[in-house]
Amino acid sequence: DADVTQTPRNRITKTGKRIMLECSQTKGHDRMYWYRQDPGLGLQLIYYSFDVKDINKGEISDGYSVSRQAQAKFSLSLESAIPNQTALYFCATSDPFRGDTQYFGPGTRLTVL
Amino acid sequence: AQSVAQPEDQVNVAEGNPLTVKCTYSVSGNPYLFWYVQYPNRGLQFLLKYITGDNLVKGSYGFEAEFNKSQTSFHLKKPSALVSDSALYFCAVNTGGFKTIFGAGTRLFVKA
Repeated sequence: DADVTQTPRNRITKTGKRIMLECSQTKGHDRMYWYRQDPGLGLQLIYYSFDVKDINKGEISDGYSVSRQAQAKFSLSLESAIPNQTALYFCATSDPFRGDTQYFGPGTRLTVL
Repeated sequence: AQSVAQPEDQVNVAEGNPLTVKCTYSVSGNPYLFWYVQYPNRGLQFLLKYITGDNLVKGSYGFEAEFNKSQTSFHLKKPSALVSDSALYFCAVNTGGFKTIFGAGTRLFVKA
């Protein structure tokens, strides 16, 4: 089984809709992240969490919110989706004792019409 | 500001030839340097990292990378490319804090 899982894998939604992307991990890491990938821009950090009670904004948090339900679960919400949020979204965990090596989920391809 | 640059959008190489994917960085402090690979419809996978020690780092699938402090570079190399190496490669840097900075990615195309 994959160490980091994301649901759904693909989602098409309409402008103005609320949508939630979910992430679960079995690696036992405290640190979790949400990234957005756009062609030619690499990965941009949306939110990160170092434990259940610690949530921080990344560089592109506007229009997004997160919830850390447990050590293993970290969900990303788009409160009112807009077309320029169409992108590939990745959840990741990291191990600070291995130089913060990141472990990624398979991604969610989100299309906002 | 801290940054990572991958100067080539795409690298083309024939199967069996050596390959190099370039990465330079600009950070304050001592960097932790990483390479990740992304295959189609998959998440990024860790390839190798440099934290300290030997400047030549060996990783998965026969890849290696050389840390050059004076040139602030961390180029990814492989002596003999395979068609299956075709993928998107990301260089990344962390200075021991919370944030890992990723380059924009380089698409490697290996022709049979």
